[in-house]
Amino acid sequence: GQNIDQPTEMTATEGAIVQINCTYQTSGFNGLFWYQQHAGEAPTFLSYNVLDGLEEKGRFSSFLSRSKGYSYLLLKELQMKDSASYLCAVRGLTGGGNKLTFGTGTQLKVEL
Amino acid sequence: DSGVTQTPKHLITATGQRVTLRCSPRSGDLSVYWYQQSLDQGLQFLIQYYNGEERAKGNILERFSAQQFPDLHSELNLSSLELGDSALYFCASSPNSQGENTEAFFGQGTRLTVV
Repeated sequence: GQNIDQPTEMTATEGAIVQINCTYQTSGFNGLFWYQQHAGEAPTFLSYNVLDGLEEKGRFSSFLSRSKGYSYLLLKELQMKDSASYLCAVRGLTGGGNKLTFGTGTQLKVEL
Repeated sequence: DSGVTQTPKHLITATGQRVTLRCSPRSGDLSVYWYQQSLDQGLQFLIQYYNGEERAKGNILERFSAQQFPDLHSELNLSSLELGDSALYFCASSPNSQGENTEAFFGQGTRLTVV
């Protein structure tokens, strides 16, 4: 099975940097994704890691350590619109298909 | 716009009833995934179809079923509805089944309210 843990809530200040951690346990690991979700809306893709290391994409970066079952999402130059839930998701191969299993999300609140 | 279309956007129905939710994947995507998101829970994986065949199954209740048609659109059927089935139901699509380097794109969801 798959088990994903991330903090429930975080608060940060506009213009600052915030790191959201995610730890996971899974079989057949085939990638880790970060999604952003505003309340009542669809999750939108932010980043993807399948190999160890850092992937940078504008204000967002994501890091993966497969041996530690650990990832983080780094958000720089925070803006008010970044207030949202951030979902860590792990893809695990199952037979001929794959399951993308989501954590319960980290609710980020950006304050002035 | 992700390119994934879900209908209807909102649905209100009574307990015991049956409903069908529809999803059209992005053009060219062969895989469709269904998720349920309740207020107090995260996204729960229900089921995956690839090119018409079931490929992976999550915590999907026996009262729920899905299928993917030759034109690749998918339907999620929910029957004998209970109050606890009220949730947002998301469909996502990706190009292939084991998805090398490909993320899943989500539709806007169907908000189901069972009264």
